[in-house]
Amino acid sequence: GAVVSQHPSWVICKSGTSVKIECRSLDFQATTMFWYRQFPKQSLMLMATSNEGSKATYEQGVEKDKFLINHASLTLSTLTVTSAHPEDSSFYICSARVAGRTDTQYFGPGTRLTVL
Amino acid sequence: GESVGLHLPTLSVQEGDNSIINCAYSNSASDYFIWYKQESGKGPQFIIDIRSNMDKRQGQRVTVLLNKTVKHLSLQIAATQPGDSAVYFCAEWLSGGGADGLTFGKGTHLIIQP
Repeated sequence: GAVVSQHPSWVICKSGTSVKIECRSLDFQATTMFWYRQFPKQSLMLMATSNEGSKATYEQGVEKDKFLINHASLTLSTLTVTSAHPEDSSFYICSARVAGRTDTQYFGPGTRLTVL
Repeated sequence: GESVGLHLPTLSVQEGDNSIINCAYSNSASDYFIWYKQESGKGPQFIIDIRSNMDKRQGQRVTVLLNKTVKHLSLQIAATQPGDSAVYFCAEWLSGGGADGLTFGKGTHLIIQP
């Protein structure tokens, strides 16, 4: 149980285009989902916290107009990278927190974004 | 800056030996810590966790030690196997302040020598 999926697992796009990444909790409800970014040989950095039915909370330095987050249901959150640039190339990882349990997060497999 | 960090970026051990990976944290208010294993190109995988009211917790081949006095966390892996090769991250739970996610340390790349 407690499986989190991400789609796509790998995407290549041209500079200036937008890319949407989906994060789904497959067998549990997640009132809160988190989006992390990881550059090569670096640690995970929290980008934003996504709560179902409300606006996402972004970490300092993360542009909310560039990284659009939508958490429309208890099992789905999406991250859209708008007007992507090569410096946005990274490994994007989501995690989902089990509803009613504040300390348990399950991580997705990650999405590799390459912007040409 | 990061509140959780690791002392060594790479740790090389012989297969069968025990591995010890260390982590220092700076927020004395943190009350929950987690160790994750991340293999190349994959998401983090939960290994073991510990709360601040404990100083030791054991799992299968893994033990986490917490020293709140010096704000130090360690992961011990017994009888290291080739499949243990990965990057290990400690993570600290920071809640409140509008955002509520984990803060990860820099990571230690564990290399298993045959």
